[in-house]
Amino acid sequence: KNEVEQSPQNLTAQEGEFITINCSYSVGISALHWLQQHPGGGIVSLFMLSSGKKKHGRLIATINIQEKHSSLHITASHPRDSAVYICAVSGYSGGGADGLTFGKGTHLIIQP
Amino acid sequence: NAGVTQNPKFQVLKTGQSMTLQCAQDMNHNSMYWYRQDPGMGLRLIYYSASEGTTDKGEVPNGYNVSRLNKREFSLRLESAAPSQTSVYFCASSFFRLAGANTGELFFGEGSRLTVL
Repeated sequence: KNEVEQSPQNLTAQEGEFITINCSYSVGISALHWLQQHPGGGIVSLFMLSSGKKKHGRLIATINIQEKHSSLHITASHPRDSAVYICAVSGYSGGGADGLTFGKGTHLIIQP
Repeated sequence: NAGVTQNPKFQVLKTGQSMTLQCAQDMNHNSMYWYRQDPGMGLRLIYYSASEGTTDKGEVPNGYNVSRLNKREFSLRLESAAPSQTSVYFCASSFFRLAGANTGELFFGEGSRLTVL
């Protein structure tokens, strides 16, 4: 079973700061997902990536398959970025639910 | 609007009562899942369905049953609710293509908050 560790567990920053959230996993994967969950809200998929880097607006996700590590960066952070960010990994069994293991999430607060 | 729809959003049960959580998706995804989310535990897979007509146990299946009624619908049933099943339940659906440049979609419902007294 893959072990997914996220750091930090909690992060408070000022508006405008550059944010980095890290995710490491123990076993080789087919893909890694970054998810966002606002307080009391649903879960939204931000990225799915298996190599390299992806960018969407102010969000950047990178993955290093050899080091079994991924980072989620937020540039020019804003209070609306306050949420829980969850890392999840897919195994080699097709990438579906049977291979999806979640980290416990990083609780991010951006203060004005 | 495309997405995953869950019902009910909130439910309070007494120990021993039964109920069914409904989930439907309109994105023609093959795979559907039920997760529970508990404080400090992260999301844990209860059951999943890789395609219409198939279901498999996940990490925490005890006390639950599922039914993949058709490609759109995947329901979760609690036959005899217990306080340990107090949780937020999320349905999700996905499409993944792992050959070449991995692509895919993963959508979650808004969640169903269940309290068992």
